[in-house]
Amino acid sequence: AQSVTQPDIHITVSEGASLELRCNYSYGATPYLFWYVQSPGQGLQLLLKYFSGDTLVQGIKGFEAEFKRSQSSFNLRKPSVHWSDAAEYFCASGGTSYGKLTFGQGTILTVHP
Amino acid sequence: NAGVTQTPKFQVLKTGQSMTLQCAQDMNHNSMYWYRQDPGMGLRLIYYSASEGTTDKGEVPNGYNVSRLNKREFSLRLESAAPSQTSVYFCATTGTGSKSYEQYFGPGTRLTVT
Repeated sequence: AQSVTQPDIHITVSEGASLELRCNYSYGATPYLFWYVQSPGQGLQLLLKYFSGDTLVQGIKGFEAEFKRSQSSFNLRKPSVHWSDAAEYFCASGGTSYGKLTFGQGTILTVHP
Repeated sequence: NAGVTQTPKFQVLKTGQSMTLQCAQDMNHNSMYWYRQDPGMGLRLIYYSASEGTTDKGEVPNGYNVSRLNKREFSLRLESAAPSQTSVYFCATTGTGSKSYEQYFGPGTRLTVT
């Protein structure tokens, strides 16, 4: 069975600092990988996705993620965080039938001014 | 074009009461999903429907039933609510073709069972 682990429950950064959120997956084949963001009281919004090809993928809002097969990781990065990036971030993997996704536990990002 | 809509937004139930959460999509997608979100546990799949007329259990189906009424609508029913079902419930639908596996989420229903 697939599993997704986000080791950091809560991360705090200062505005303007760089950000890296970690994600590790467990799946036999190459999975489809996603990062979603959830603002308080809202649904989830897709930031970016990896299916195949270039291992560095660009998303919305200035985010990027890198797929590293050797480390079973798909970490999310942003060079300079804005206060509006404060939210909860979810990593997810798919690859089985019917588009089902397995989600990580989520990482809450707090941004200090 | 509303995307994925859910009703109600908030609900408080007493233990043993029943209710149905409604979900509708106007994206013409085949697959629809119900998740629950609990702190520190991410989203867990309750049921999904790959197409109109089919439904299957997900990771945490106990205590729930679903109906895929037509291509647009997918409802989740709690027959006898329990405090353990206090959660935020999300409906989602999956794109087709190049957008397969991209899930589009509704705004959620916050349910409290006392």
